[in-house]
Amino acid sequence: KNQVEQSPQSLIILEGKNCTLQCNYTVSPFSNLRWYKQDTGRGPVSLTIMTFSENTKSNGRYTATLDADTKQSSLHITASQLSDSASYICVVRGGNKLVFGAGTILRVKS
Amino acid sequence: DTEVTQTPKHLVMGMTNKKSLKCEQHMGHRAMYWYKQKAKKPPELMFVYSYEKLSINESVPSRFSPECPNSSLLNLHLHALQPEDSALYLCASSLTLLGEGYTFGSGTRLTVV
Repeated sequence: KNQVEQSPQSLIILEGKNCTLQCNYTVSPFSNLRWYKQDTGRGPVSLTIMTFSENTKSNGRYTATLDADTKQSSLHITASQLSDSASYICVVRGGNKLVFGAGTILRVKS
Repeated sequence: DTEVTQTPKHLVMGMTNKKSLKCEQHMGHRAMYWYKQKAKKPPELMFVYSYEKLSINESVPSRFSPECPNSSLLNLHLHALQPEDSALYLCASSLTLLGEGYTFGSGTRLTVV
């Protein structure tokens, strides 16, 4: 069954700290993996998209990694800011479907 | 223009009303999508249009009726909705089906009373 599992479900960190979010998937055949940031009540905004051959991709303070062998991805956020508080969703394309993870809710405290 | 624009941003409707949600993009994308998202859940795919033809209907109740008048516009017509249909409705588009430039709109927050 095609699934995307994210951990942790939620996370609270202090402003300025780093954090790492995890995404494990069983989607097959694999095409690409995307990370989105979604503010409450708004649409998801793309952070990175990675294909099979890419191991790391950065977008400012966001760095995504992909291990296609173990079917795992991570999103590392450096020097967190209050505006990073949001839900982070991992989405995997498998064939003609996008499979969404349930998301990690991140709260950054001052 | 790199945006998907959804209107209205908020909508409150009664169970006997008829209303429409509108989605527009001018990026030359030929695939457009409707999603429904409940609080603290991931988006659920409802409909997919590819080259203005309905490509996927994920067994959505007939009280939701999509329409794609042209390659830039996607509407979702609503009729006789139930309170459980209250949700954030998201539109998305991409260059081709599930292809490059997959972009979401900001959504319409729908409340059915």
